[in-house]
Amino acid sequence: QKEVEQNSGPLSVPEGAIASLNCTYSDRGSQSFFWYRQYSGKSPELIMSIYSNGDKEDGRFTAQLNKASQYVSLLIRDSQPSDSATYLCAVNGYGNAGNNRKLIWGLGTSLAVNP
Amino acid sequence: NAGVTQTPKFQVLKTGQSMTLQCAQDMNHNSMYWYRQDPGMGLRLIYYSASEGTTDKGEVPNGYNVSRLNKREFSLRLESAAPSQTSVYFCASSMVGGATDTQYFGPGTRLTVL
Repeated sequence: QKEVEQNSGPLSVPEGAIASLNCTYSDRGSQSFFWYRQYSGKSPELIMSIYSNGDKEDGRFTAQLNKASQYVSLLIRDSQPSDSATYLCAVNGYGNAGNNRKLIWGLGTSLAVNP
Repeated sequence: NAGVTQTPKFQVLKTGQSMTLQCAQDMNHNSMYWYRQDPGMGLRLIYYSASEGTTDKGEVPNGYNVSRLNKREFSLRLESAAPSQTSVYFCASSMVGGATDTQYFGPGTRLTVL
């Protein structure tokens, strides 16, 4: 069974702290990894994508990928109350032959940033 | 540039009624997807269309049909709605459906089946 697992939380951090969100996946053939943010009652929106081992930074967000250990993480520096949302990890999985690979989604981690 | 649009935003049906959820994108994307999201179940793929003229089943296709009307539009039909189909439905699109493709989501349709 190809799965993506996340701690459901809630993860509670004070304003200005670093929030660390983790995701593990089972399919060693996965190539692409995505972090989406979903506010309550809204649709998922892309925060970061990462394809190679190591760190990728974009503003206050850093994605970290370790394919050998099969985990991907998202760090949010200087957390703000507006970061309070559910963060979804998505990993590309097997689909039809060729490029039709489908995303496998985690259930999400709820983050609460307290003023 | 509206991105991905969905209609309606909310819908209440009675068991056995039918309806079609509409989705359109203006990003010239080739691939389109229909998901449902339920508490504790996460996002589950219902159907997808890798390109105009093709559709394929996802993880939970039973009770649904789809039509890729043209490159822009991808509709989801419930022929005989059941309470188990109460959910939030999201349409998404991506450029080519490849491994590194980013999926962009519409605002969702909140469906209740009584």
